[in-house]
Amino acid sequence: GAGVSQSPSNKVTEKGKDVELRCDPISGHTALYWYRQSLGQGLEFLIYFQGNSAPDKSGLPSDRFSAERTGGSVSTLTIQRTQQEDSAVYLCASSLVTGSTEAFFGQGTRLTVV
Amino acid sequence: GNSVTQMEGPVTLSEEAFLTINCTYTATGYPSLFWYVQYPGEGLQLLLKATKADDKGSNKGFEATYRKETTSFHLEKGSVQVSDSAVYFCALSLSGSARQLTFGSGTQLTVLP
Repeated sequence: GAGVSQSPSNKVTEKGKDVELRCDPISGHTALYWYRQSLGQGLEFLIYFQGNSAPDKSGLPSDRFSAERTGGSVSTLTIQRTQQEDSAVYLCASSLVTGSTEAFFGQGTRLTVV
Repeated sequence: GNSVTQMEGPVTLSEEAFLTINCTYTATGYPSLFWYVQYPGEGLQLLLKATKADDKGSNKGFEATYRKETTSFHLEKGSVQVSDSAVYFCALSLSGSARQLTFGSGTQLTVLP
């Protein structure tokens, strides 16, 4: 597709369950970012991938959160043992190169933990 | 730390009205500043940017000037349209790239015909 694609668009899960969120970046984009938007708050940086370099995980809120990027393309964000405070919209973005100031965002995955 | 503060919404205007959405920032360094827009049902997209003091970013009739002395980057448009209805996010980046953008909380704009 032409843009960043995220799936699922909505996810409702029970507290304590694991969830996986998927991001398909724009083809050819080497940089990929995950952000989280909680209700009434701004976007919070989670993790950043650039090519084959080690990811910048400095924004991950706890060790229950992890992410990987396979083959330099698709990325999966995994949240283990979900908690109610994990409820948020999870946004993925990609950019052509590291130094680019233009990131293209997907529509996000709305996660609700009940 | 770094932070971005936006005027609280929602903002409701009539078509052709003048728009200002205030944005101020705090940063340990010299950030690049951005406005992103999220139209209903779509992902965030970059609207405009400025990388140094006194730069003016502009796009689609929107403008914002990087004011170092007031640490501000207010978004303005002289005549809004219904199609401008969206959520607007002010953001900064110290690295100059989209890496680790710091966003404001967003301002919902509704333009009525």
